[in-house]
Amino acid sequence: DQQVKQNSPSLSVQEGRISILNCDYTNSMFDYFLWYKKYPAEGPTFLISISSIKDKNEDGRFTVFLNKSAKHLSLHIVPSQPGDSAVYFCAASAPSNTGKLIFGQGTTLQVKP
Amino acid sequence: EAGVAQSPRYKIIEKRQSVAFWCNPISGHATLYWYQQILGQGPKLLIQFQNNGVVDDSQLPKDRFSAERLKGVDSTLKIQPAKLEDSAVYLCASSSWGAGYTFGSGTRLTVV
Repeated sequence: DQQVKQNSPSLSVQEGRISILNCDYTNSMFDYFLWYKKYPAEGPTFLISISSIKDKNEDGRFTVFLNKSAKHLSLHIVPSQPGDSAVYFCAASAPSNTGKLIFGQGTTLQVKP
Repeated sequence: EAGVAQSPRYKIIEKRQSVAFWCNPISGHATLYWYQQILGQGPKLLIQFQNNGVVDDSQLPKDRFSAERLKGVDSTLKIQPAKLEDSAVYLCASSSWGAGYTFGSGTRLTVV
């Protein structure tokens, strides 16, 4: 039962353009969502998060949008840079609030110079 | 602040052998997690400790996997006997109240 889904395994964009990564979830009890970035041979690093009481959160070039009715969130990166090339994971906080995270499968972003 | 330390970085074993991974969390972080990330999938929680007590081990294959966190600091994850499908990256993470997760670099296990 895949509660968090990232349906695009990969995305390629040109440097300077916008990157949009998408994530869908099925459990309406999720109340906190996070995006992690992962480089090869490193652990995931936290990028940005959003609470279910908000529909947008912005941090520099990164913006996360949450559409609760559609159970959908997206990460926008503007402008995209070659150093953004990595695997991006969407994660949701489990309803039990124990700290457990449910991850999507990941999307590999390639930003071309 | 030192990060989450994991060792070894890589391990290759034959099926039916045993293997152990070690994790040293960030000092003062009460919560420690072990995640399994199979190639092409997202990390999946295996076990969560709060200090030295288990909070969630519902997805830990207990017939072959075991984990402990003695004295509420370091943790070890053991697999015995290993199967081919155990090939994955094993990620340790720690957190404290009000702080997010910090992941270690992981241990890449290959079972042949």
